Amino acid sequence: EIVLTQSPATLSLSPGERATLSCRASQSVSSYLAWYQQKPDQAPRLLISDASIRATGIPARFSGSGSGTDFTLTISSLEPEDFAVYYCQQRNNWPLTFGGGTKVEIK
Amino acid sequence: EVQLVESGGGLVKPGGSLRLSCAASGFTFSNYNMNWVRQAPGKGLEWVSCISAGSGYIYYADSVKGRFTISRENAKNSLYLQMSSLRAEDTAVYFCARGTSTYGLDYFDYWGQGALVTVSS
Repeated sequence: EIVLTQSPATLSLSPGERATLSCRASQSVSSYLAWYQQKPDQAPRLLISDASIRATGIPARFSGSGSGTDFTLTISSLEPEDFAVYYCQQRNNWPLTFGGGTKVEIK
Repeated sequence: EVQLVESGGGLVKPGGSLRLSCAASGFTFSNYNMNWVRQAPGKGLEWVSCISAGSGYIYYADSVKGRFTISRENAKNSLYLQMSSLRAEDTAVYFCARGTSTYGLDYFDYWGQGALVTVSS
């Protein structure tokens, strides 16, 4: 099973700041990595697929990069609605696995 | 508009059974893999099971293999999860999620609102 480790667990930032979230895989997942955003009591929302492709309707302030074992989600300038939990997920191998999440909270 | 609506959640005793349903609309259901993903209270996301568009292949997480059965009825635009031998650690919100591929190894582009399953005596 591929283990995805997200860091930091919590990121405390102010609106307008840049957020950089990390996801590290226990073995290569090529570029088969997605990012999701989840707000309290809501279902997750797909943000990024294949490491860097924004999903439909996702603002350009969200960007993804990386390949192999190291991936980054960057939010260039935090909007109030961006404070949430973010998960990465790999689809390179069964079982499909998620990272433990990074909470982006208001400082 | 794509919609996924889960039903069938509730309180069940350890060792009991429960069947979740997911009603799909707004897309051609028979063209997509479908998945169940769960989230224990206050915890992260865990993929549970995947069924291909034509039910030709099925995958399970090790944590539920042998206890859960995924199925679908394309004529009814419906996905199911039959859960048996339930344990306390199965307590979670169960999401129905559409897969992004036709051959498995999915991302999840649309999600339902979730159904809470509580396993407790």
